Amino acid sequence: NAGVTQTPKFQVLKTGQSMTLQCAQDMNHNSMYWYRQDPGMGLRLIYYSASEGTTDKGEVPNGYNVSRLNKREFSLRLESAAPSQTSVYFCASSEAKPGLAKNIQYFGAGTRLSVL
Amino acid sequence: QQPVQSPQAVILREGEDAVINCSSSKALYSVHWYRQKHGEAPVFLMILLKGGEQKGHEKISASFNEKKQQSSLYLTASQLSYSGTYFCGTEMLGGSQGNLIFGKGTKLSVKP
Repeated sequence: NAGVTQTPKFQVLKTGQSMTLQCAQDMNHNSMYWYRQDPGMGLRLIYYSASEGTTDKGEVPNGYNVSRLNKREFSLRLESAAPSQTSVYFCASSEAKPGLAKNIQYFGAGTRLSVL
Repeated sequence: QQPVQSPQAVILREGEDAVINCSSSKALYSVHWYRQKHGEAPVFLMILLKGGEQKGHEKISASFNEKKQQSSLYLTASQLSYSGTYFCGTEMLGGSQGNLIFGKGTKLSVKP
C-alpha cells in the first residue's frame, strides 16, 4: 500500500517558469489537500478538494491552480513561478465521509521546490 | 484562526517529561496531533474529539478541554525517537468536514 505519492521530490525552477506537482492516493479517500510548509509557519492550506469534481481555496491560494483529475489524483499547478513560492509542498488525503467522526489526514513525502 | 502552540521549542534529556499546548480562539470539533521528523512528512499521532477524551499512544497521551478550546500533548519518559516537530491541527465546529488548521509547531529535541 503506497498511501499518498507525490512527484517530483525535488524541483528547481527559474522565475516565470511553470510546473505541475502531482499527487495520487490509493486509499479511496474522498478529500485531498495541498499544503505549503515554510520555516516557522507550520502547514498552510493552499487548496482542497472535498470530493471528485470539486475544489476550494484554502488560506494561501494566490499563484496556484489545482485539478482533481479523478478520485485518486489531485495536481497543483504554478503558472508563473515566483521566488516567494520556494517552499516544501505536501499533499494529503482523508476519508472525510459524512458521519465519520475521525477524519485523519495522511501525508505524502513532499516536494521541495526552489524558485530562483 | 491559526491555533497557538506553546512552547515553540523544548530541549529534554532522555527520560524527562514534556507538555505541549495548543490553544484555539474558535470552537473546535476535534484536535489532531502530528509529529514531523526533519526532512520527512508529518505523521499522525492521535485525534481528540469534542467530549474531553484523553487518548494514549505509547508513552504519549493527550487531552482536550473543549470549554477552553485547548489541547495538551503529554510526553512521558522521553526517548531519543521522540525528537521532531509536533503540530496540532484543529477542526472547527461548523467548518468544512475534515479541514484542519495547523499551528506553527513545537520543536522537541531529546538529548542522551
